[in-house]
Amino acid sequence: DQQVKQNSPSLSVQEGRISILNCDYTNSMFDYFLWYKKYPAEGPTFLISISSIKDKNEDGRFTVFLNKSAKHLSLHIVPSQPGDSAVYFCAASMYSGGGADGLTFGKGTHLIIQP
Amino acid sequence: NAGVTQTPKFRILKIGQSMTLQCTQDMNHNYMYWYRQDPGMGLKLIYYSVGAGITDKGEVPNGYNVSRSTTEDFPLRLELAAPSQTSVYFCASSYTGDRTDTQYFGPGTRLTVL
Repeated sequence: DQQVKQNSPSLSVQEGRISILNCDYTNSMFDYFLWYKKYPAEGPTFLISISSIKDKNEDGRFTVFLNKSAKHLSLHIVPSQPGDSAVYFCAASMYSGGGADGLTFGKGTHLIIQP
Repeated sequence: NAGVTQTPKFRILKIGQSMTLQCTQDMNHNYMYWYRQDPGMGLKLIYYSVGAGITDKGEVPNGYNVSRSTTEDFPLRLELAAPSQTSVYFCASSYTGDRTDTQYFGPGTRLTVL
């Protein structure tokens, strides 16, 4: 059973417009959410995160919104640039009580920025 | 800093063969992780380590073994390769195991078992 869902396998957006990537989760114990970006033949790289005590976090062109009641988060990229073409993974985590707080990943959304 | 490095980049194995995937980090991170990513799926945690000599299972540990003799290295061993282990394997590291601490990923090893 998938606990983190990215229902859009791909998204095509024109350069300069806004890209909105969506993510839903089912486990109400998750309290920290992250977005990772991945280029082909490379490992994922951290992009932005948000704690469950916030509803918005902004970093330059990237903003993540969290709607806890709907168990939904979204990543907004404004304006979209050609270098943003990549696979974006949504991930969620909770306090493990010891050891490591593992990450649960969605399947990813392939964002394609059209010139 | 090279960050997290993985070798080999690609490998084809026959059923029943064994191999070790190498992972090294030069950031002096305490925590290291192994993930696998199957086609069209998200990453799943195989094993992790909280420091030299200490390892623990993740979500999908069956068919794998790990060891952590130094801070820098965290090899993943496949003893009897099976087609179900065809995947891309990513190693990652972080300074702490806290969920707010960024995990840094290596470039991955693409493994095919025929």
